[in-house]
Amino acid sequence: QVQLVESGGGVVQPGGSLRLSCAASGFAFSSCNMHWVRQAPGKGLEWVAFIWYDGDDKYFADSLKGRFNISRDNIKKTVSLQMNSLRTDDTAVYYCAKDFSGHYAIDSWGQGTLVTVSS
Amino acid sequence: QSALTQPRSVSGSPGQSVTISCTGTSSDVGGYDYVSWYQHHPGKAPKLMISDVSERPSGVPDRFSGSKSDNTASLTISGLQAEDEADYYCYSYAGSNTWVFGGGTKLTVL
Repeated sequence: QVQLVESGGGVVQPGGSLRLSCAASGFAFSSCNMHWVRQAPGKGLEWVAFIWYDGDDKYFADSLKGRFNISRDNIKKTVSLQMNSLRTDDTAVYYCAKDFSGHYAIDSWGQGTLVTVSS
Repeated sequence: QSALTQPRSVSGSPGQSVTISCTGTSSDVGGYDYVSWYQHHPGKAPKLMISDVSERPSGVPDRFSGSKSDNTASLTISGLQAEDEADYYCYSYAGSNTWVFGGGTKLTVL
């Protein structure tokens, strides 16, 4: 079955950087588009970023452009989120998610990793 | 990419029906038949309940149904059960490989 396991969360100071990773298994990773979604404490879900199956195209929420980058390694079956110039309002649980191909939806989620931006 | 508008909370008694609305614009909900709904129990991974406005993935009870009219999508849960108590989020394609979530609705089963 599909498994998505995020790692790399932790506490970082404002202005710092952090790289999240997501290890995928149980499906044809190299054929699947992937997303990152986040949820700040007490808030709703927020779509963060999307990457095509081959890594050639990447898209980001307007509020994040220039600070975050998404990448993938189809050999290692991982997708990553590089987060720079972190702000306190980036504090959230970050979820890795598998695109539901052809349906413009998400059909599988990881359990999430907590990122806390605090001095 | 403004969040879609959902009621903050809805409630119903076991066996009753509830409907959660999700209002967007012609650039997202109204522009595409790609609205999905997710059930989220705190501390767990969200679960896809409806895709493509009204399609139920395998394993989702037929008590869950979706619809859309103009810029508003709706999720209806009939025959409410205790385990339906959760947060529910709508999610819409917004064009150019971007997406937007609703603010979330807390469903309480009385």
